Amino acid sequence: AQKITQTQPGMFVQEKEAVTLDCTYDTSDQSYGLFWYKQPSSGEMIFLIYQGSYDEQNATEGRYSLNFQKARKSANLVISASQLGDSAMYFCAMRGGGGFKTIFGAGTRLFVKA
Amino acid sequence: EPEVTQTPSHQVTQMGQEVILRCVPISNHLYFYWYRQILGQKVEFLVSFYNNEISEKSEIFDDQFSVERPDGSNFTLKIRSTKLEDSAMYFCASHDREIYRSGYTFGSGTRLTVV
Repeated sequence: AQKITQTQPGMFVQEKEAVTLDCTYDTSDQSYGLFWYKQPSSGEMIFLIYQGSYDEQNATEGRYSLNFQKARKSANLVISASQLGDSAMYFCAMRGGGGFKTIFGAGTRLFVKA
Repeated sequence: EPEVTQTPSHQVTQMGQEVILRCVPISNHLYFYWYRQILGQKVEFLVSFYNNEISEKSEIFDDQFSVERPDGSNFTLKIRSTKLEDSAMYFCASHDREIYRSGYTFGSGTRLTVV
């Protein structure tokens, strides 16, 4: 069975600093994808970044990067130069096994302080 | 930018009533999903839909739930006899052919309140 674990229910970061949101996963599949989504207080879900299990380089999208450590089964999200608008819930997610569904972690609520 | 559109944004219904949640996915997307989120908690998979049939469903998606794509554009989730515990935010999502590299595009959700 697949599982996503996010152990930080809440995180605080000072504006303009970098922050790392932790995510570990468990799967027996060889091919899988890892995702991060952002959910602001308005409630919508926004796709941020993707990492494939066979990708040799860590994914980056603007201020977002994914620190992928396959042997440790971790896929941490790094947000550089935090902005007030980054305050939101962040979900780590995984899709694999040739299936269609994506499973989500419990989420980490990030608070950016001015 | 293309959007996934969900209607209504909020629905209140009495326990035991049927509800239909509507979604219009992005036109060239081929894979459609329903997820639900109870009170800002974990996002739970309900069902995936591809090629006009259910491709996968969770244990939550029991006989009270059904999905349809009646006219090639709308994608609906029906709950036949709502229970109090069905109160949640329901998200429709879709993505295109590149399954493994595509994140979902989510709709803005329908908040269902069962009273």
